[in-house]
Amino acid sequence: AQKITQTQPGMFVQEKEAVTLDCTYDTSDPSYGLFWYKQPSSGEMIFLIYQGSYDQQNATEGRYSLNFQKARKSANLVISASQLGDSAMYFCAMRENLMGGGNKLTFGTGTQLKVEL
Amino acid sequence: GAGVSQTPSNKVTEKGKYVELRCDPISGHTALYWYRQSLGQGPEFLIYFQGTGAADDSGLPNDRFFAVRPEGSVSTLKIQRTERGDSAVYLCASSPGQTDTQYFGPGTRLTVL
Repeated sequence: AQKITQTQPGMFVQEKEAVTLDCTYDTSDPSYGLFWYKQPSSGEMIFLIYQGSYDQQNATEGRYSLNFQKARKSANLVISASQLGDSAMYFCAMRENLMGGGNKLTFGTGTQLKVEL
Repeated sequence: GAGVSQTPSNKVTEKGKYVELRCDPISGHTALYWYRQSLGQGPEFLIYFQGTGAADDSGLPNDRFFAVRPEGSVSTLKIQRTERGDSAVYLCASSPGQTDTQYFGPGTRLTVL
């Protein structure tokens, strides 16, 4: 079974600084995908970034980048130039293929990020 | 365009009652997923639809839970004889195809008294 581990229940960062949110994963599938979602207090899960297991380069999306280290089975999210609006819960997730086609996401327990002035 | 919508946003019910939660996916998305998020946890998979059929319902906790998607668009999650342990946020997600990124709705917060 796939497993996602996020060991940081809470993180603080000062505005305009960079922050790294940790994520490690475990899977026996050679092909997999890793996602990061942001969940503000409103509750909606907002897709941030995706990394495929065979992608040669680390994914980037604006201020978000994914530090993918396959041998270590880690997929850390880096947020550069933090903004107050980045304060939210962040979830790492792994895609698992389903028997009937499609896929499901297995999520970690999340990291609560607080951006301070 | 419009994102995934879910109604109601909040539902309070009494133990033993029946509830229905509705999900309206992004137009044109063929894949639809339901997840349940308990307090302090990440979402957990319940069921996946491809078109009208439930392709995988392995995450449904027991036979009190059932979901339909009769016309391949809107889906309804149905919970019979609700229990206090069913209290959670129920999230719906949709994607253009089977292996694409899933986009989530705002969720329905269910409270069973």
